[in-house]
Amino acid sequence: GQNIDQPTEMTATEGAIVQINCTYQTSGFNGLFWYQQHAGEAPTFLSYNVLDGLEEKGRFSSFLSRSKGYSYLLLKELQMKDSASYLCAPPLGSASKIIFGSGTRLSIRP
Amino acid sequence: ETGVTQSPTHLIKTRGQQVTLRCSSQSGHNTVSWYQQALGQGPQFIFQYYREEENGRGNFPPRFSGLQFPNYSSELNVNALELDDSALYLCASSLAGGEGANVLTFGAGSRLTVL
Repeated sequence: GQNIDQPTEMTATEGAIVQINCTYQTSGFNGLFWYQQHAGEAPTFLSYNVLDGLEEKGRFSSFLSRSKGYSYLLLKELQMKDSASYLCAPPLGSASKIIFGSGTRLSIRP
Repeated sequence: ETGVTQSPTHLIKTRGQQVTLRCSSQSGHNTVSWYQQALGQGPQFIFQYYREEENGRGNFPPRFSGLQFPNYSSELNVNALELDDSALYLCASSLAGGEGANVLTFGAGSRLTVL
């Protein structure tokens, strides 16, 4: 992706908490999306932070600092079905053109 | 409410050929974006269509072109296919403006293999 950095792979234990970090260039981006993609499937929307701060949605939370070009996705009470790739996706310019990072492949072990 | 549908789901072409991929957007969505996803990579933005006009383009050569129709469905055309064009092509629709604006709903993709 366009200067979007996130870890390639992470492993966590069922029931635990994991944080997936994402850094990106700050110019031209407006907020940030997170998408989940299971192997062999299309990406699905998880969250959108338009302002700085923490957005919580059930077991998933997402944080954004626009000035630092930094975001993280926090997954709590991990379940086996959370094994997937997590894509950090800043919109470019008008917020309608979304640029994806390479994704973090998260593996959950029992 | 129907989701995003893409066709064909799989296809095989040879180098130099041309391909057309089709996408029907989710009901109520007026914007269509196309992405190319290579194995193990994130989706790469090809272009977006809004009101039948190209509304932004990624770093793809002119042999990648598209259309959007009055019913908001869309086509992706790739000419002079190269081996590196082998990938999953994802179509995503969204609504420009209003509640839930810009949230992409993806189709299942068209997997293109170029031999």
